[in-house]
Amino acid sequence: AQTVTQSQPEMSVQEAETVTLSCTYDTSESNYYLFWYKQPPSRQMILVIRQEAYKQQNATENRFSVNFQKAAKSFSLKISDSQLGDTAMYFCAFRDNYGQNFVFGPGTRLSVLP
Amino acid sequence: GAGVSQTPSNKVTEKGKYVELRCDPISGHTALYWYRQSLGQGPEFLIYFQGTGAADDSGLPNDRFFAVRPEGSVSTLKIQRTERGDSAVYLCASSLRDRGNSPLHFGNGTRLTVT
Repeated sequence: AQTVTQSQPEMSVQEAETVTLSCTYDTSESNYYLFWYKQPPSRQMILVIRQEAYKQQNATENRFSVNFQKAAKSFSLKISDSQLGDTAMYFCAFRDNYGQNFVFGPGTRLSVLP
Repeated sequence: GAGVSQTPSNKVTEKGKYVELRCDPISGHTALYWYRQSLGQGPEFLIYFQGTGAADDSGLPNDRFFAVRPEGSVSTLKIQRTERGDSAVYLCASSLRDRGNSPLHFGNGTRLTVT
């Protein structure tokens, strides 16, 4: 079974600075999909960014980008120019090419400080 | 368009009672998922529907938990003889496709408290 690990339970960053959240996963598959979700205090999970394993180019969405290292099974999220509204729980998620289910990591609580 | 809607947003019940949690997915999304999230943890998979049928119910913790989606749209998660350990946020999500990079779209969840 696939597992997703997020080794940083909590992180903080100053407003306007850059922060990187780590995620590693375990799978024997060669094709799969990776996602980062944000969960603010309002509780709703919001998609931040996604990456297909067959794509070598790292995904970017405005201030959010990933560093996908397939051989190392690593999928880190970089947030540039951090804003107060980025304060939230961040979850890394994995879906393989055959399964319908998403497997989520335990999350990292990010606090952006003014 | 409208997102995933979950009702009620909060539910307090006594130990041993029966509860129903409702999820109304995004129109046109054929896949519907239920997750459970305990405080400070990531979502834990419960059950997934493709259309009307439960394609994977391997995450249901025991036979007190049951879910239906009779017309392939709205789903209800049913919990019998509730226990204090069932207290959690129950998240519903829908997806346009049940494969590939099609993301999950989540509702705001139902916070269930069993006293």
